[in-house]
Order: sequence, then C-alpha cells, then structure tokens
Amino acid sequence: QVQLVESGGGVVQPGRSLRLSCAASGFTFSTYGMHWVRQAPGKGLEWVATVWPDGSKEYYVDSVKGRFTISRDNYMNTLYLQMNSLRADDTAVYYCARTDSSSYFFEYWGQGTLVTVSS
Amino acid sequence: SYVLTQPPSVSVAPGKTARITCGGNNIESKSVHWYQQKPGQAPVLVIYYDSGRPSGIPERFSGSNSENTATLTINRVEAGDEADYYCQVWDSSGDHPYVFGTGTKVTVL
Repeated sequence: QVQLVESGGGVVQPGRSLRLSCAASGFTFSTYGMHWVRQAPGKGLEWVATVWPDGSKEYYVDSVKGRFTISRDNYMNTLYLQMNSLRADDTAVYYCARTDSSSYFFEYWGQGTLVTVSS
Repeated sequence: SYVLTQPPSVSVAPGKTARITCGGNNIESKSVHWYQQKPGQAPVLVIYYDSGRPSGIPERFSGSNSENTATLTINRVEAGDEADYYCQVWDSSGDHPYVFGTGTKVTVL
C-alpha cells in the first residue's frame, strides 16, 4: 500500500533553515508528481510546491518562491523541501502528497510534520 | 489566482443530509475534488472528478458540479462524518495550479 512518511519538522528561529523529507513506498515513485501542502494552525489547506516525476520542473506558491526548494531522489524514493529564510507565517503542518496519474488531485497524503518558526 | 469559496460551517442532525457548497468562477468547467479532514489527521480524498468516489468511501458521499457551484452531499449523516471538508481544483490559468477552498466545518448535532 502507498505510504508517505514525513520527517524533519521542529522548532526553528526566524531566518534559519530546515529541510523536510518524505519517504515514499508502495508505488513507483519516479512516475508520479509529488507535492507539499501546508496547514497553518487553525487554518485551511495551502498548496506549497510541486515537482514533476523526473524532477525537471518545479512550481511554488508565491509566498515561498526564492526561499523554498522542492526536490526528489528517485533512487531513494524520497521527496524533500528545503526551507530557507523561515518566517513566523511559515509555521504549519507540512504534508507530503501524491497526486493521481493525471496530477489533478491529491490521492495520498502523509501524516504531516509540524514546523514552528519562533524566536 | 482562482478563488474557491465555501461556507464556514454546516450543521446537520444525524440521519439527515448535509450539503457543502464550493463556489468559483465558471467552476462547472473545472473538475472538483473533495477532502475530509478530521482533527489531528491528514486530509482524505472523498470525491474526485466532481462525483467519483475512491474505494473505501461510503456511497453516502456524492458530488455534483453545475452552474457556478460544486456540491458535496452526505446522506444519512453519522457522528463520524463530523470533520472539515475542502474542495479543490486544478487551475491551468496561473502559476498556482492547485487551489483549495476555504473549508467547511461540518457539525453533527
């Protein structure tokens, strides 16, 4: 069965960096687009970033452009999110998600990892 | 960028029908997907492509999309249906391809 397991969250000071990981299993990782979606405390879902199956293209929400980088290792079946210059409004649970083969909806989600940006 | 609007809350008695709306400009031309999120848990896909139901999702959940409004309908509501529900579309017109609705809290009375 499909499994997505995030790690790397924690408490970090404003301006510092953090790297999230998402270990995937149960499917052919290299054939699916992968994504990060976040949810600030008490708020709704917000798409953050997408990487194509081969890693050739990336897309970001405006608020993280230039600060976050999504990447993947198709040999290790792992998705990453490098977060630099973190701000208080980046505080959220970050979910790793896999879309369906058409890439139009999120078919599978990880359990999420909490990132808290605070001094 | 594209905006999806949902009512903040819907209340329904057990056994009755809950209808959660999702409004967007010309939304009937898009495919709408719905997620259920219970407290402390990750979202779960409950409807895809307007009315498709993933395996394991009860037939009580159904979806429709027409005339500027998509609707998630939950028949014979149970206490376990209490959750937040989000609609989502894929929007090719801008740089933000995945758009979520504002979310609706369903309370079972």
